[in-house]
Amino acid sequence: ETGVTQTPRHLVMGMTNKKSLKCEQHLGHNAMYWYKQSAKKPLELMFVYSLEERVENNSVPSRFSPECPNSSHLFLHLHTLQPEDSALYLCASSQEFGVAGRRDTQYFGPGTRLTVL
Amino acid sequence: KQEVTQIPAALSVPEGENLVLNCSFTDSAIYNLQWFRQDPGKGLTSLLLIQSSQREQTSGRLNASLDKSSGRSTLYIAASQPGDSATYLCAVERGSTLGRLYFGRGTQLTVWP
Repeated sequence: ETGVTQTPRHLVMGMTNKKSLKCEQHLGHNAMYWYKQSAKKPLELMFVYSLEERVENNSVPSRFSPECPNSSHLFLHLHTLQPEDSALYLCASSQEFGVAGRRDTQYFGPGTRLTVL
Repeated sequence: KQEVTQIPAALSVPEGENLVLNCSFTDSAIYNLQWFRQDPGKGLTSLLLIQSSQREQTSGRLNASLDKSSGRSTLYIAASQPGDSATYLCAVERGSTLGRLYFGRGTQLTVWP
């Protein structure tokens, strides 16, 4: 596979469930991102990992827990979510994060459509 | 805080028309500006990236301009085609928070045959 892949593509869960979203990038990049896209707001950055270290946590509730075991994989662990957490969750990667002088962009996966009942 | 606004929110045009999509941002101290395309059920694809020192970028039928002083960018699509139907997102990166993108809500474009 090439690019950025995400699984599952669709997920329905109850508020008491625990689930995980998975992202994998095949681009050899060093930075990975989680974004939330809901109908009511612009695309929101949630977390950033650079070289497997979390460098950004954009005031995300603790019911969302990221994990980056290596530079190619990123997980988002979900527990006791609320209905307002229903959204499209996008993963992205880039060669580097926050380095001046670079001219790369972020490459996005297709997203996981999450519905919380 | 950087706020990004895109106008119009939706646009429906017949095939062949030339289009202009607008993006405005509140903080002119940007590092770069990007235009992305998002198709239903898919992620974002970068179309054009303009560095803060540049005025415009072109790729095929797409041309993006940047006016930092006025906080505006436009995406020009020439001779639109049904395959151009998608949501177009504008994103800016600030010099003070490199790597972090601030997105607009997008313009949903429909081009009908």
